[in-house]
Amino acid sequence: EAGVAQSPRYKIIEKRQSVAFWCNPISGHATLYWYQQILGQGPKLLIQFQNNGVVDDSQLPKDRFSAERLKGVDSTLKIQPAKLEDSAVYLCASSLGGFGDNEQFFGPGTRLTVL
Amino acid sequence: SQQGEEDPQALSIQEGENATMNCSYKTSINNLQWYRQNSGRGLVHLILIRSNEREKHSGRLRVTLDTSKKSSSLLITASRAADTASYFCARSGTYKYIFGTGTRLKVLA
Repeated sequence: EAGVAQSPRYKIIEKRQSVAFWCNPISGHATLYWYQQILGQGPKLLIQFQNNGVVDDSQLPKDRFSAERLKGVDSTLKIQPAKLEDSAVYLCASSLGGFGDNEQFFGPGTRLTVL
Repeated sequence: SQQGEEDPQALSIQEGENATMNCSYKTSINNLQWYRQNSGRGLVHLILIRSNEREKHSGRLRVTLDTSKKSSSLLITASRAADTASYFCARSGTYKYIFGTGTRLKVLA
């Protein structure tokens, strides 16, 4: 079974530039998550989709971050404009359901460096 | 912070010893999950324990949950060098997953 795919794996940009990350979840998984993991910390949930609807985006900095999940499959996360403090690993995960009873499967992550 | 707290923050043991790490949280949960993260395999789910369960086993892993104390512990028995990783607890409410700060385990060969 193919796992969660993410691209790119690494990205270096300058502050105030824009960047986008892509995620393809495991086939059949209804729930998709984006996390931000700053070095030395645990993952922080940015946004959770159930199919193509947003379930929770309470920790998404909406002035600069946006995410979409068209057709309930792939998802993109965008940062515009980027700040130095956005340097982190961005993890995408998926699960069969989204009501807390399901194992999350994580992708390899995208390591973002903002200079 | 809403994050759970793991302790210790770091742990170093000899191969073959047992490793115990703890997770505390502040609000009620539906379940609690433990994950492992290392550079080779990324973040991987280890075990899920529901709020009405007290103990679960999976291979060399044993997880306990005490909802009255809002805490959980992960025991790894007979540790191996390959167990070297960061371990996170993730608590789940109705929809939201909140990860703790992690315990960095180093198993020395």
